[in-house]
Amino acid sequence: AQRVTQPEKLLSVFKGAPVELKCNYSYSGSPELFWYVQYSRQRLQLLLRHISRESIKGFTADLNKGETSFHLKKPFAQEEDSAMYYCALDSYGKLTFGQGTILTVHP
Amino acid sequence: GAVVSQHPSWVICKSGTSVKIECRSLDFQATTMFWYRQFPKQSLMLMATSNEGSKATYEQGVEKDKFLINHASLTLSTLTVTSAHPEDSSFYICSATVGANNEQFFGPGTRLTVL
Repeated sequence: AQRVTQPEKLLSVFKGAPVELKCNYSYSGSPELFWYVQYSRQRLQLLLRHISRESIKGFTADLNKGETSFHLKKPFAQEEDSAMYYCALDSYGKLTFGQGTILTVHP
Repeated sequence: GAVVSQHPSWVICKSGTSVKIECRSLDFQATTMFWYRQFPKQSLMLMATSNEGSKATYEQGVEKDKFLINHASLTLSTLTVTSAHPEDSSFYICSATVGANNEQFFGPGTRLTVL
């Protein structure tokens, strides 16, 4: 069975500092991975997906099959990045979510 | 575009009663709809997958007679929690996909409290 692990429940950084939210997965097939974000009092929304290989709001994530990781990175965090971030793995259209990481960016 | 709504946003009911939660895709026809459950400070757990006109597929451990899902149209799926008990209190979230793109668009969630 697939599994997604986000080892950090809480992550705090200062504005302008680099940030990395960790995500590891276990899956027997070819993984399709996503990062979803939930800002305060808002619904869950897609941040980025690995097949797009794009940067959204300055965030990037690279799939590393050798390390079975899909860490989310941003070189310079902003206060508006404070939110809950979920890593998710798609298996035949169904998503398995990690536990989520609450990112707080301090001024 | 791709907005998903849920109604109600919160509901409080007595133990033993049934509660219906609606999930609508407002500006698109959803290929598939999903129902999730989220406990406080925990992740989203997929409960079931729903396609219009067919029976929902439930995840292991989810009682289909307890959580009735009806997907009557391409824009509406309903989740009915039957004979609700306090342990059913949770945050229920639906999502929908459109076309071949498997990006899921999420509703705002429904907070159910069973007294």
